[in-house]
Amino acid sequence: EPEVTQTPSHQVTQMGQEVILRCVPISNHLYFYWYRQILGQKVEFLVSFYNNEISEKSEIFDDQFSVERPDGSNFTLKIRSTKLEDSAMYFCASSDRLAGEKETQYFGPGTRLLVL
Amino acid sequence: TQLLEQSPQFLSIQEGENLTVYCNSSSVFSSLQWYRQEPGEGPVLLVTVVTGGEVKKLKRLTFQFGDARKDSSLHITAAQPGDTGLYLCAGARGAGANNLFFGTGTRLTVIP
Repeated sequence: EPEVTQTPSHQVTQMGQEVILRCVPISNHLYFYWYRQILGQKVEFLVSFYNNEISEKSEIFDDQFSVERPDGSNFTLKIRSTKLEDSAMYFCASSDRLAGEKETQYFGPGTRLLVL
Repeated sequence: TQLLEQSPQFLSIQEGENLTVYCNSSSVFSSLQWYRQEPGEGPVLLVTVVTGGEVKKLKRLTFQFGDARKDSSLHITAAQPGDTGLYLCAGARGAGANNLFFGTGTRLTVIP
């Protein structure tokens, strides 16, 4: 069964460093998402991406964050200068339809980011 | 902010008992999804409900979307230890907005 994959599974970085989290969505999906989950808190939406551009973003997704689909298969989340509060589990998701049209978002296993 | 409240937050029951988890909001959603999440892993989709009043069954799990599409419930019949986990509801607003708003989660423990 097709699945979303994410690398790395764990990332430890120093505050102020740049990190790139990678995702390979399900191959025939067109809509891509990043969510994050701070330890003990609920899953929060960061950004959605369709047709090579951001379609929606939350207030969490500030200028330190960027997304890219560099080669038609990978979908990346870059945090330019990490802060302590960026420590969280980051989930990538993909779907083939917009919400309201029986959309199903499939989630990857996540990347646990720890900023020291 | 589209707030989805789940209740109860924690639930511990004996194997064989029935249980219901609730997901409530003051906002209308175009669809609602239920996920199950294991520690350190991503949410795994259980079901998507779209139509107000819709009921879907997945073996011993019954999902219902409220008539007004503001709330949903998950009922588990004859719970088993394998049902132990974190259950999340997540709503989508539709109309071109496709991000999911996640509920606060219900952590279920089924004791053998």
